[in-house]
This record gives sequence, structure tokens and C-alpha cells, in this order.
Amino acid sequence: DGGITQSPKYLFRKEGQNVTLSCEQNLNHDAMYWYRQDPGQGLRLIYYSQIVNDFQKGDIAEGYSVSREKKESFPLTVTSAQKNPTAFYLCASSIDGNNNEKLFFGSGTQLSVL
Amino acid sequence: GDSVTQMEGPVTLSEEAFLTINCTYTATGYPSLFWYVQYPGEGLQLLLKATKADDKGSNKGFEATYRKETTSFHLEKGSVQVSDSAVYFCALRPSSNTGKLIFGQGTTLQVKP
Repeated sequence: DGGITQSPKYLFRKEGQNVTLSCEQNLNHDAMYWYRQDPGQGLRLIYYSQIVNDFQKGDIAEGYSVSREKKESFPLTVTSAQKNPTAFYLCASSIDGNNNEKLFFGSGTQLSVL
Repeated sequence: GDSVTQMEGPVTLSEEAFLTINCTYTATGYPSLFWYVQYPGEGLQLLLKATKADDKGSNKGFEATYRKETTSFHLEKGSVQVSDSAVYFCALRPSSNTGKLIFGQGTTLQVKP
């Protein structure tokens, strides 16, 4: 089945630790996105990538980093600089960055701070 | 900047009741508008969309009409079911097509038998 796979489903971070959230898609989509979901605030864009080896900051990129070395993979690292990382993280993809209205979402990763 | 505002939830209805979830937007030009749905423990799925003024998007009994004059895109369904219980997100894609969607804060719908 084609789709987007996020792992792990639950992740815990200790103080000062970097953690990496995985996102893999087998839809052959060019564009991929990372959103953060907080209760009552909807989804906010962290980073997006319209093509391999290229990515842009979204609205809340501080404290996060990404890479896009392969078309099917777009991992998100939550660094120790992100002081409030507890949230639900959603990865998405679309056919290309210009036809982005239909986003396909993964099932999310819940990150919590120990 | 561009933004989306949804009515606050949670919205609690009995089965077969009429549903309206309000959504208004602020944007320059002519954005495209969307409703996404998130079922418990899952990611978001596109429910319907409209790309120009007066367009009506529809899917699974849900409808929304792009109203340029009132900058609104309210979601409606004539008879809700328990299985419609979910979080509903209104979103817009700016006319500048910067490669991202802007989401509202989401409205939780709970339908009771």
C-alpha cells in the first residue's frame, strides 16, 4: 500500500537531547512537509521541501532541522534549542510543491519531554 | 498575513442533527480553500476543496461554499452520524502559491447516538 509512514508513534526527549522523527513516503511525491500540532492552535508549518536536496523554513523553524537527501525520506530533528518540544508532529507529502492542495498525511508522532 | 479562523469547539450533536462549522479567512487575492478531517489517532485527510469564488466542494454528505463577499467557507452536513466524530480543519492555500497550506485551529465534533 502506498502512503506515508512516521515513526516512532511516541517519543520521549530528555533535557539537552536531540531527537529525530522519521518520515518515509512511497508515493513518489516531490514535496514533503512537517507540521506541529498543539491543542487549540491547529497546525503550524515547521519546514517544507519541494524537491530533493532543497528545503525551506516554515513559520516556526527555530529549534528544528531537516534534511532531504532522498526523495522518499524527510527526517525532522528536534534540537535542544527547542525549549517547548512537546507536541504532535505530522509529516505530509504532495505530488509537487505547486500542486500542494492535496496533502497526504502520516499518522503522526507524539513527542513528550521527560 | 493570511490566516484562517474557525469556530471554537467542541461541538456536540445528536445523531441525524444538522451540522455547521464556521470558517472565515483573511487573504489577499483568491486563495484556494479546503476542509481536512482528522479521526482519532490518525493524520489529516482531505475532505473537500474549492478553488474559486462561488465554488461548492462536497464529499461524503459534507458541503462548503466559497463565499468571497463574506470571506467564509462554512462546513455543513444535513444529518451527522457517530462516525463523523473527528476534528475538522479549515485551510487555505494563498494565491501567491508559496508552497504551503495555512490551517485554522481545528474544531472538534462529537456526535452522540
